[in-house]
Amino acid sequence: SQTIHQWPATLVQPVGSPLSLECTVEGTSNPNLYWYRQAAGRGLQLLFYSVGIGQISSEVPQNLSASRPQDRQFILSSKKLLLSDSGFYLCAWSGDGQGTYNEQFFGPGTRLTVL
Amino acid sequence: QKEVEQDPGPLSVPEGAIVSLNCTYSNSAFQYFMWYRQYSRKGPELLMYTYSSGNKEDGRFTAQVDKSSKYISLFIRDSQPSDSATYLCAALSGGYNKLIFGAGTRLAVHP
Repeated sequence: SQTIHQWPATLVQPVGSPLSLECTVEGTSNPNLYWYRQAAGRGLQLLFYSVGIGQISSEVPQNLSASRPQDRQFILSSKKLLLSDSGFYLCAWSGDGQGTYNEQFFGPGTRLTVL
Repeated sequence: QKEVEQDPGPLSVPEGAIVSLNCTYSNSAFQYFMWYRQYSRKGPELLMYTYSSGNKEDGRFTAQVDKSSKYISLFIRDSQPSDSATYLCAALSGGYNKLIFGAGTRLAVHP
């Protein structure tokens, strides 16, 4: 079976500090990977997606970046956090093994508070 | 206009009630629709996945798509307190399976 992990679970960071959030998927190969952000009381906004190692597409221009150094690893980064970066960050995957590439499965999320 | 619109609620119902959750969408090219359930401070969980128009049933849950009116619905029969959560509708867009989400409807089922 497939599992998706995210860490850390919660994070409190000062404005201007760097950020690194990690997501890994087990039990599948060549998944599509996604980063979403959910602001309080709002739906999910797609930030980045990746269809393969080193292939990153950005949906929303901002001070965040993403990287995919390995097939099942997806990293969300920032050099300098802004207050507006606070939110619930969710990683998702789709692909073979569970459903189809149409169905996305989410991780447990990282709650980021920027002070 | 948002591509997927959803009434945020909250919706409060007694245990055993039939719940109807609804979304509308604007892009007639959307073909695949999803419903996710999200408990507080957790990641969304995929509940139902439907293609084009029609109904799909899974236990107490029924997903319905009406492409002529661009309307998608989720019905929950015999609702339970454990169904209390936020329900998110989503439409699949584009070649890389980008999901467009509604804002989510918060549901509370009270005993």
